[in-house]
Amino acid sequence: SQQGEEDPQALSIQEGENATMNCSYKTSINNLQWYRQNSGRGLVHLILIRSNEREKHSGRLRVTLDTSKKSSSLLITASRAADTASYFCATNRDDKIIFGKGTRLHILP
Amino acid sequence: GAGVSQSPRYKVAKRGQDVALRCDPISGHVSLFWYQQALGQGPEFLTYFQNEAQLDKSGLPSDRFFAERPEGSVSTLKIQRTQQEDSAVYLCASSYATGYQPQHFGDGTRLSIL
Repeated sequence: SQQGEEDPQALSIQEGENATMNCSYKTSINNLQWYRQNSGRGLVHLILIRSNEREKHSGRLRVTLDTSKKSSSLLITASRAADTASYFCATNRDDKIIFGKGTRLHILP
Repeated sequence: GAGVSQSPRYKVAKRGQDVALRCDPISGHVSLFWYQQALGQGPEFLTYFQNEAQLDKSGLPSDRFFAERPEGSVSTLKIQRTQQEDSAVYLCASSYATGYQPQHFGDGTRLSIL
């Protein structure tokens, strides 16, 4: 079963705009991670935010975490065509991580 | 190589055949995971190894699925008497330490059962 749920399921934006994806989860966590998956490839780890952190940056990525609402958001600023991919949040359960269903992001030229 | 390697990339089998999927994790990575990914879905956990020990196999769909990692490095996922519902992409991932550290994924094996 999947713990995280991303929203929206699909998102299309113009190149240069910002893209925001949200993730909600159900149980307490140690950390939350975001991954990207290009078509036909494996997942690539983007960023990890710990449960005692509220915001984290990495290049054009900004992740927020609200443990009281059990939610996280991923913001990609100044989007590029190469950002077209599926994005998954992942939360830990026991000693493993559980993925959501993902947001399919399409950057329009 | 520097990354996780999976073979074969594509596998077509007839219903009822047995298949074996291989994963070479990053050297030195203690943890190894297998996931099943259906089209348009996120990866679903199948099983987890720490070194050669299979610590969690709760995600394996049936007793037709079997995984091993006998020397704590290469792992094989075997599916016996394949069914059409086994068609999916099977992803392998490894991480340096425990399960909820960042994972490094291979590109997967796309399995099609005819």
